Amino acid sequence: KQEVTQIPAALSVPEGENLVLNCSFTDSAIYNLQWFRQDPGKGLTSLLLIQSSQREQTSGRLNASLDKSSGRSTLYIAASQPGDSATYLCAVRPGNQFYFGTGTSLTVIP
Amino acid sequence: EAQVTQNPRYLITVTGKKLTVTCSQNMNHEYMSWYRQDPGLGLRQIYYSMNVEVTDKGDVPEGYKVSRKEKRNFPLILESPSPNQTSLYFCASALSGTWGETQYFGPGTRLLVL
Repeated sequence: KQEVTQIPAALSVPEGENLVLNCSFTDSAIYNLQWFRQDPGKGLTSLLLIQSSQREQTSGRLNASLDKSSGRSTLYIAASQPGDSATYLCAVRPGNQFYFGTGTSLTVIP
Repeated sequence: EAQVTQNPRYLITVTGKKLTVTCSQNMNHEYMSWYRQDPGLGLRQIYYSMNVEVTDKGDVPEGYKVSRKEKRNFPLILESPSPNQTSLYFCASALSGTWGETQYFGPGTRLLVL
């Protein structure tokens, strides 16, 4: 069974800092990996989706990489802002099901 | 506006009283799914549906039922709720369920079973 781990569970950084969130998964046979953002009391918003054949995806200040063979992905956030404060979740898809990590709670201090 | 809606958003009930949480999407999506989110356990998939009349179990289906009679709706049914089903529930949908598509999530339903 696929297991997804996100480290650290919580992270606090000053505004303007670049940061990296980590996601690891136990079974490398995945079709894609997706990063989501979750704000308190709200649903999940998709940030980036990386196909298994891709190495990275970029959107604005966000860059996600995928190393399928080692079972790892990173989400890089450049020049962090207070509005980036949220919980970030990664999810992998080995088939018709999705498996989520427990998330990293990010706080960006003004 | 393209969206996934869930009702109710908040629900307090008692053990054994049947309840239904509705989910509806207006994007003509084929794939729909239910998740529960618990502290320290993350989101876990309960059931999913590849298209109308086709549903399958996720990782934690015990105590839940679903039905997919029409494309837009995917209700979650708890026939006899128990306190261990107290959780935050999310419904999600995707265009066709193929590998390259993102899921769109509803706002969540917070359920407390006493």
